Amino acid sequence: DTEVTQTPKHLVMGMTNKKSLKCEQHMGHRAMYWYKQKAKKPPELMFVYSYEKLSINESVPSRFSPECPNSSLLNLHLHALQPEDSALYLCASSPRTVSYEQYFGPGTRLTVT
Amino acid sequence: DAKTTQPNSMESNEEEPVHLPCNHSTISGTDYIHWYRQLPSQGPEYVIHGLTSNVNNRMASLAIAEDRKSSTLILHRATLRDAAVYYCILRPGNTGKLIFGQGTTLQVKP
Repeated sequence: DTEVTQTPKHLVMGMTNKKSLKCEQHMGHRAMYWYKQKAKKPPELMFVYSYEKLSINESVPSRFSPECPNSSLLNLHLHALQPEDSALYLCASSPRTVSYEQYFGPGTRLTVT
Repeated sequence: DAKTTQPNSMESNEEEPVHLPCNHSTISGTDYIHWYRQLPSQGPEYVIHGLTSNVNNRMASLAIAEDRKSSTLILHRATLRDAAVYYCILRPGNTGKLIFGQGTTLQVKP
């Protein structure tokens, strides 16, 4: 199984809502990542987890809260988002952080109204 | 962080070779050069990577300039399924941090 799955595929939320994005992999990878991709722009790294510990936070606003409850699962908790946070949120995993290949999921398309 | 510069778009004919250039003049000695591609409605997909020497795999070849300030991704025979955005990326050697360039949109004509 070389797949990274993300749920939901699409999410529409109001600025006062709390929601969560979920990412799962069963490849035994110990590094997991969240990226944000605006339309017609490249992905931008948000967070890196290594062995379930947060190792990189790219100065992401606190309204985005990552969580890695176990080595297969990565969550992104969303609270009080702004319309400009609307984007495609991509999850990726790799055997370790210094591995040459990251496996990306298909993303969650988030719209904030 | 060092940055990469790529042409916005390129066109190719099917079954012909494609050379996708990338400039990274501020690359540091420990930065790896990666290429990923993103097909429509999908997440990025690893293509190839290298540090100093040219590299070949089943998907493509990577030619790295001697001074490492530029590189070229070579698709030997483009197919319609190769139409995608190709990203040239630098990765600091001791991290998993992928620093994406703006990408080149490759159009393949039959």
